[in-house]
Amino acid sequence: AQSVTQLGSHVSVSEGALVLLRCNYSSSVPPYLFWYVQYPNQGLQLLLKYTTGATLVKGINGFEAEFKKSETSFHLTKPSAHMSDAAEYFCAVIPYSSASKIIFGSGTRLSIRP
Amino acid sequence: NAGVTQTPKFQVLKTGQSMTLQCAQDMNHNSMYWYRQDPGMGLRLIYYSASEGTTDKGEVPNGYNVSRLNKREFSLRLESAAPSQTSVYFCASSESSTVPTGELFFGEGSRLTVL
Repeated sequence: AQSVTQLGSHVSVSEGALVLLRCNYSSSVPPYLFWYVQYPNQGLQLLLKYTTGATLVKGINGFEAEFKKSETSFHLTKPSAHMSDAAEYFCAVIPYSSASKIIFGSGTRLSIRP
Repeated sequence: NAGVTQTPKFQVLKTGQSMTLQCAQDMNHNSMYWYRQDPGMGLRLIYYSASEGTTDKGEVPNGYNVSRLNKREFSLRLESAAPSQTSVYFCASSESSTVPTGELFFGEGSRLTVL
């Protein structure tokens, strides 16, 4: 079964520090991978996605993620955290065989310390 | 451009009561979804509609029913609410279910409390 695991339910970094949010997937074939962000009291919005091609994917607000097949990972990074990055981040996967369902991870809450 | 609109935003029910959550999208999307969000569990798919006239069960369909009223609207009904259905419910839509672009557009959520 296709699944996605996010390591760490809560990550806290200082403003200006590197942000690293971890995501691993289980799949026998490369899936489609996504990161979504949820700001307080709002719905989710797409941050970035990997489907095919370049393994380093750039998203909005300076975030990027790298698809590493050998590690079955799709970690999200940002070189310098900003206070406005405080939100919950969800890694998600679409099984290659099923286009109708996207499976979300349990989420990681990112806090930014002044 | 409203995107995905959900009503109501907040609702308190007593155990056994029924209610319907309404969702409408104005992006001419074919596919629509209902998720519930619970702390530490991410989003779980309740039901989805790949296209107008079709609905399918997701991961946690028990206790819920859905209706794809037309291309724009997708409602979620709780026939006999239970405290375990206390959650935040999100409606989402996507352009196509046959091309896995993965971009879902979400409403702002409906917070339901069942006493």
